[in-house]
Amino acid sequence: QLVESGGGLVHPGGSLRLSCAASGFTVSNNYMTWVRQAPGKGLEWVSILYSGGDTYYADSVKGRFTISKDNSKNTLYLQMSSLRAEDTAVYYCARGSLAGSGNYFDFWGQGTLVTVSS
Amino acid sequence: DIQMTQSPSTLSASVGDRVTITCRASQSISSWLAWYQQIPGEAPKLLIYKASTLETGVPSRFSGSGSGTEFTLTISSLQPDDFATYYCQQYNTYWTFGQGTKVEMK
Repeated sequence: QLVESGGGLVHPGGSLRLSCAASGFTVSNNYMTWVRQAPGKGLEWVSILYSGGDTYYADSVKGRFTISKDNSKNTLYLQMSSLRAEDTAVYYCARGSLAGSGNYFDFWGQGTLVTVSS
Repeated sequence: DIQMTQSPSTLSASVGDRVTITCRASQSISSWLAWYQQIPGEAPKLLIYKASTLETGVPSRFSGSGSGTEFTLTISSLQPDDFATYYCQQYNTYWTFGQGTKVEMK
């Protein structure tokens, strides 16, 4: 199970930290990702964190968002700063598959809504 | 960046219909393609990976094919639970989704 939290209303330029608590598997053994979906729109990959610590970001969030994890809490995080109206979306965390057929996402949380508005 | 284009954007169909959705990549992605189903208000669900491999637990009426730049998702006999939006995703170079195909009731 993946349970996201931390979403809410934030002013432009503000910050927010999203959490994704995992159960039934170990975050430290998997690569984990964040994907977002603006209201009424499609899916957009945001960031990924590999088990070894490597991180990657979409150009739209690079330099503003930071992905991290706390293995002791089995939790993934997304620290978001300098937020813009276009960051408004439901943010999903997802688990990367370990099936050995490439880096796709085999299990998703229910999402948390971030609204950036004045 | 690799762009993914799905067609059609919306598809009207009836229960029992055979449904086909196409996904085209802007450059070759080999077979590094996944398909997801999203029911309104729910999280995406993995259906197929590596273009044609069915995820465990997904009904066999779903199938995927293709390689390179052209891919298809086929539902052999549409069921009531299948009315949803479907997304393709390339994972050859970073991750990019198609814009989605909404399968609605005719």
